[in-house]
Amino acid sequence: NAGVTQTPKFRVLKTGQSMTLLCAQDMNHEYMYWYRQDPGMGLRLIHYSVGEGTTAKGEVPDGYNVSRLKKQNFLLGLESAAPSQTSVYFCASSYTRRADSYEQYFGPGTRLTVT
Amino acid sequence: AQSVSQHNHHVILSEAASLELGCNYSYGGTVNLFWYVQYPGQHLQLLLKYFSGDPLVKGIKGFEAEFIKSKFSFNLRKPSVQWSDTAEYFCAVNERGNNRLAFGKGNQVVVIP
Repeated sequence: NAGVTQTPKFRVLKTGQSMTLLCAQDMNHEYMYWYRQDPGMGLRLIHYSVGEGTTAKGEVPDGYNVSRLKKQNFLLGLESAAPSQTSVYFCASSYTRRADSYEQYFGPGTRLTVT
Repeated sequence: AQSVSQHNHHVILSEAASLELGCNYSYGGTVNLFWYVQYPGQHLQLLLKYFSGDPLVKGIKGFEAEFIKSKFSFNLRKPSVQWSDTAEYFCAVNERGNNRLAFGKGNQVVVIP
């Protein structure tokens, strides 16, 4: 049981380039999330998904797109990277064992630098 | 929108000292509360959580947290820290029935041997 995995672990992009970050989970979780972590800012939600084929905007969605074509995968895309998108990106997933719990399980992160 | 406040972003302690990290949230309804820990270079791991019942929650590695509803607080404590507790600690809250977590900005804790 691998949990939540992310690909790649590190990436350096030039301004204007595009890339896709892949998140995969093998826990059959319904919900998946993409966060960015910046020093002194905590984690901020970019986009999330409550099920296959559905996505929704989080706190900081501008400049990012997502897709959830399969339940186990959640892709985060940067169409035209900017230096302000230099960050560590974390994917997470959760399920509802009970209707009132949403414990999230996190992946190892992707460190992205945009020059 | 709810918010989560963590004070004293940087904390430096000696081994065996006691640790207390404050967490306050703004939402007035029923909430689920979490503390996550991020060791250097690693991903976030759940330290402990509160959904209902006993407001004093015990987590892994000797950590505990107390939910005080009247103060909208969920403070984390450890009586005697070790060097291996050096990490960043995040408090997170979600409204009951809402899948979205709101995170605090974190506390960077450094334990000096």
